Amino acid sequence: IQMTQSPSSLSASVGDRVTITCRASESISRYLNWYQQKPGKAPKILIFAASSLQSGVPSRFSGSGSGTDFTLTISSLQPEDFATYYCQQSYSTPLSFGQGTKLEIK
Amino acid sequence: QVQLQQWGAGLLRPSETLSLTCTVYGASFSGFYWNWIRQPPGKGLEWIGEINPSGTTNYNPSLKSRVTISVDMSKNQFSLKLSSVTAADTAVYYCARARTIAARLGFDSWGQGTLVTVSS
Repeated sequence: IQMTQSPSSLSASVGDRVTITCRASESISRYLNWYQQKPGKAPKILIFAASSLQSGVPSRFSGSGSGTDFTLTISSLQPEDFATYYCQQSYSTPLSFGQGTKLEIK
Repeated sequence: QVQLQQWGAGLLRPSETLSLTCTVYGASFSGFYWNWIRQPPGKGLEWIGEINPSGTTNYNPSLKSRVTISVDMSKNQFSLKLSSVTAADTAVYYCARARTIAARLGFDSWGQGTLVTVSS
């Protein structure tokens, strides 16, 4: 299953509301997870099953969607949120990731 | 708190076999699925495969002919072998835990990553 994220990169300011989109090449129900990765670090899970917030993740992160179209929203950007974000489908193997969205400071 | 610590050779020549091991600390080994994921420099993430504590595996078809994932429950370890490596296998390799088969709830714990470079 091909996962396509948009945009590939995004410039935003602290306090902005940001939305990242992920589209699957076929329906994946709600089997969609979101990760944040900072340079030189392993990815960190933010959202699982499309909209469930991982324990310990700030509530400014939220996810929505089902079928083929999903979104990750950060309600008010904080300095530590500037990173690369990946979606990942867990509907069928081989598991696959989007190409990533790099969120940069404007 | 679970910690995954991984190690293995970081520099290989073409045609050699990549070998990495991941040890799980601070959590039960059984009841979870253990995965390997890689990331070429500056690129995205690729799932390599998974194993459960019973030893049942599931591999990415793109790598299946060259991959072996094994588990040693007595040591809380699982391992990755990738044979006949080429420059295209140069990547940071991560071990990761999933709570279900096919990571239905995502990968909730990750190793620190190991950069493996394939070069003659």
